[in-house]
Amino acid sequence: GQSLEQPSEVTAVEGAIVQINCTYQTSGFYGLSWYQQHDGGAPTFLSYNALDGLEETGRFSSFLSRSDSYGYLLLQELQMKDSASYFCAVRDPQSGAGSYQLTFGKGTKLSVIP
Amino acid sequence: EADIYQTPRYLVIGTGKKITLECSQTMGHDKMYWYQQDPGMELHLIHYSYGVNSTEKGDLSSESTVSRIRTEHFPLTLESARPSHTSQYLCASGDRDNEQFFGPGTRLTVL
Repeated sequence: GQSLEQPSEVTAVEGAIVQINCTYQTSGFYGLSWYQQHDGGAPTFLSYNALDGLEETGRFSSFLSRSDSYGYLLLQELQMKDSASYFCAVRDPQSGAGSYQLTFGKGTKLSVIP
Repeated sequence: EADIYQTPRYLVIGTGKKITLECSQTMGHDKMYWYQQDPGMELHLIHYSYGVNSTEKGDLSSESTVSRIRTEHFPLTLESARPSHTSQYLCASGDRDNEQFFGPGTRLTVL
């Protein structure tokens, strides 16, 4: 089986930097993804790390350490529109009959305040 | 423009009714997925398909069924809806292993 842990809520000030952590336990591992979901909206893909290190895409960066089974999403220059839930997800080749399934964490609700 | 569509967006029905939630994508993806998500909670995979005539159940037990007769179409059916089926249903597709594209979802309420 697999499990992912991430904080349930984070609050940060507009313009600041926030880090959302994700630890995972899987019997196999192909990579860590991050999705953003605004209230009432659909999840949208943000980033994917298959190898250790930092991946940067604009104001968002994602980091992975496979030896620590740990990753994080870093949001810089926070804007009010970044208020949303952020989900980490892993693809576990041992997840069952199909190895292309993603298992999602419970999500971190980010609130950006003025 | 490539996209993924779900209809209806909102549905309120009575117990015992049969319903079908529609999902279509224009991206030509072989892999499609159905998730169930309660408000403020994580996504649970209930069905997936890796191509035409291929369907499998996901991790979360569901009384729904799916079919995949055409690549672009992946409908989900509930034969007899119950209040416990009240939830949001999200359809997704994607052929890259870790990137899935989600539809806008169907919010189902069963009275």
